[in-house]
Amino acid sequence: DAGITQSPRHKVTETGTPVTLRCHQTENHRYMYWYRQDPGHGLRLIHYSYGVKDTDKGEVSDGYSVSRSKTEDFLLTLESATSSQTSVYFCAISALAGDEQYFGPGTRLTVL
Amino acid sequence: KQEVTQIPAALSVPEGENLVLNCSFTDSAIYNLQWFRQDPGKGLTSLLLIQSSQREQTSGRLNASLDKSSGRSTLYIAASQPGDSATYLCAVEGPGGGNKLTFGTGTQLKVEL
Repeated sequence: DAGITQSPRHKVTETGTPVTLRCHQTENHRYMYWYRQDPGHGLRLIHYSYGVKDTDKGEVSDGYSVSRSKTEDFLLTLESATSSQTSVYFCAISALAGDEQYFGPGTRLTVL
Repeated sequence: KQEVTQIPAALSVPEGENLVLNCSFTDSAIYNLQWFRQDPGKGLTSLLLIQSSQREQTSGRLNASLDKSSGRSTLYIAASQPGDSATYLCAVEGPGGGNKLTFGTGTQLKVEL
C-alpha cells in the first residue's frame, strides 16, 4: 500500500468553526489531491497540488482552501464549516501526470 | 463537462461466475481511465490504469478494456469469489489537463457463496 495517512480519521464539529484536515505521504510523489465522497455524487475533486506551493482548484472548491509547504504534506482547510461540508474526505497522490492515483483511508467529517 | 456512468448500480452473482462491469463516459478526449475497488468504510484501491492509447490491461483475474471512440470501458472479473464483494468505481482523466479525475458512482458487487 502507498504510504498515505490522513488525520484526523473522524471529526465532529459545529457550524462556523474552522477545520483543517491533513494528508501525509511517504512516497515523495509530486501530485496530491483532495476529494470528497457523498452519496449520489460519487467522488469529486476539491483541490489538487502539482508541487510545493503549487495548487489549483477542482470541481467543488468553494468554501475550501489548501496549502502545501512540504512535498509530504497537503492540508485542506474549511475556514467556516457548514453542514453541507459533512462528507468523507479522501486524499490521493500520484507520481507523475497521468499516473495511477493512490488513495488514503479517508476522514469522516460531520458538521452539526 | 465530462460525465461518467456505471450501470448497474448493484449486482449480485454466485461464486465462480465470470462477470462484466460497465463504465461509460460522455467525452472521448480522455488521457486515461482507472478502475478502483472500495470496501465499506475504506479508501479506494487502484486496480488497473488504461492509457488512452491502450485497448486493455490485465491483472490476475481482472481484465479492463477501453473503447475511447464509443466512450466505454468494461471490467471483466473471472471466477468471482466472495472476497471480490465491494464497490467498483471507474474514473477518467480528461478532457483538459491537471490530472483531474471524474468518477462514476460505482457498481456495488456482491458475490454469494
